[in-house]
Amino acid sequence: SQQGEEDPQALSIQEGENATMNCSYKTSINNLQWYRQNSGRGLVHLILIRSNEREKHSGRLRVTLDTSKKSSSLLITASRAADTASYFCATGYIIQGAQKLVFGQGTRLTINP
Amino acid sequence: DTEVTQTPKHLVMGMTNKKSLKCEQHMGHRAMYWYKQKAKKPPELMFVYSYEKLSINESVPSRFSPECPNSSLLNLHLHALQPEDSALYLCASSQVFVRGLGNTEAFFGQGTRLTVV
Repeated sequence: SQQGEEDPQALSIQEGENATMNCSYKTSINNLQWYRQNSGRGLVHLILIRSNEREKHSGRLRVTLDTSKKSSSLLITASRAADTASYFCATGYIIQGAQKLVFGQGTRLTINP
Repeated sequence: DTEVTQTPKHLVMGMTNKKSLKCEQHMGHRAMYWYKQKAKKPPELMFVYSYEKLSINESVPSRFSPECPNSSLLNLHLHALQPEDSALYLCASSQVFVRGLGNTEAFFGQGTRLTVV
């Protein structure tokens, strides 16, 4: 199976603190993406990092990728109550020109006011 | 317009019914996807269409039948489903992967919550 793992499964922190989520995967990838999902509805794309990149920033988000360890981390700085959601990493594989995204198990993040 | 629109939002169907889920995007994306998500689980890929042709079928049972009538529309036809097929069905679209170019982020719809009774 290509499916990866995320940890922690659940994370609860105080507003203003930083949140770090980790993702591991099993096979070589084309890219790794992070998504947010609120209340079991649609997923929102947060950030994409290519396999030849090591770090990427977007606003309060910082993503790292270590292809030698097959792992990635997502850091959310200065968390807000609105960041409460489930966060998924997704590894991207190119098969016959089409992209297959394989999602990790997800981290449920709760930001306490 | 960066939206993927799915209809209906909710669907309850019997095991002998035939129904269809619809998905539409106007971002010019030529790759479209169906995912299935059970409660408290990650989305699982079902089908990928690239340039309106089926590229990936993740061994999905034939009671699920996808269709891509044009570059903006994606349907999922349902027939003789089982209660265990109850789930959130998510549609997504993206640019087709081109080596050396960028972005293959996927845009997701809000999903159809399907209940099979």
